[in-house]
Amino acid sequence: SQKIEQNSEALNIQEGKTATLTCNYTNYSPAYLQWYRQDPGRGPVFLLLIRENEKEKRKERLKVTFDTTLKQSLFHITASQPADSATYLCALDRGNQGGKLIFGQGTELSVKP
Amino acid sequence: EADIYQTPRYLVIGTGKKITLECSQTMGHDKMYWYQQDPGMELHLIHYSYGVNSTEKGDLSSESTVSRIRTEHFPLTLESARPSHTSQYLCASSGLAGGPGTGELFFGEGSRLTVL
Repeated sequence: SQKIEQNSEALNIQEGKTATLTCNYTNYSPAYLQWYRQDPGRGPVFLLLIRENEKEKRKERLKVTFDTTLKQSLFHITASQPADSATYLCALDRGNQGGKLIFGQGTELSVKP
Repeated sequence: EADIYQTPRYLVIGTGKKITLECSQTMGHDKMYWYQQDPGMELHLIHYSYGVNSTEKGDLSSESTVSRIRTEHFPLTLESARPSHTSQYLCASSGLAGGPGTGELFFGEGSRLTVL
């Protein structure tokens, strides 16, 4: 069956360091991959989208890589801040299915001052 | 700020009651979705709509039903709530600005339902 896996354990890092989150998938050939941020009790907020023909995408302190051979995406937050503390979700399309995304369970990030 | 709104944010009701969770968006998006999420778990798609009078069931079987009579409105209804329906329900919309299957989802704040 189709499956997305993210780091199940919470990630704790010191302010100013780079946080790296992993998203692995099996049995997919997604046309694109998205990352969302979710705060407790709130809806997810879109951060970045990367297409299958793109290796890397950047937005301010965020960087996403997409390796379709390894079936993996890495999500980096550089110069992390306590305000970056949240759960980060990886989501894949299913290829030509009109935007219905499948989500991973998310990785909780905690940035300590 | 996303222009998609869900009400109520929190609802505690007894078993057997009928409930409707409201979702409205002002972005003119054709595509709308309902996801269900339990604490610490992934979002599961339960319903989606590609436009007025179009509704389909998602991946996770749900006893809820939806309707899409107007573009901006996508309510979810449970005819007889049970404790197993306790969960967070998230509504989202997508405008697919980048072409088929490339649109980001805009989410509402969610409706947390507790059935006693």
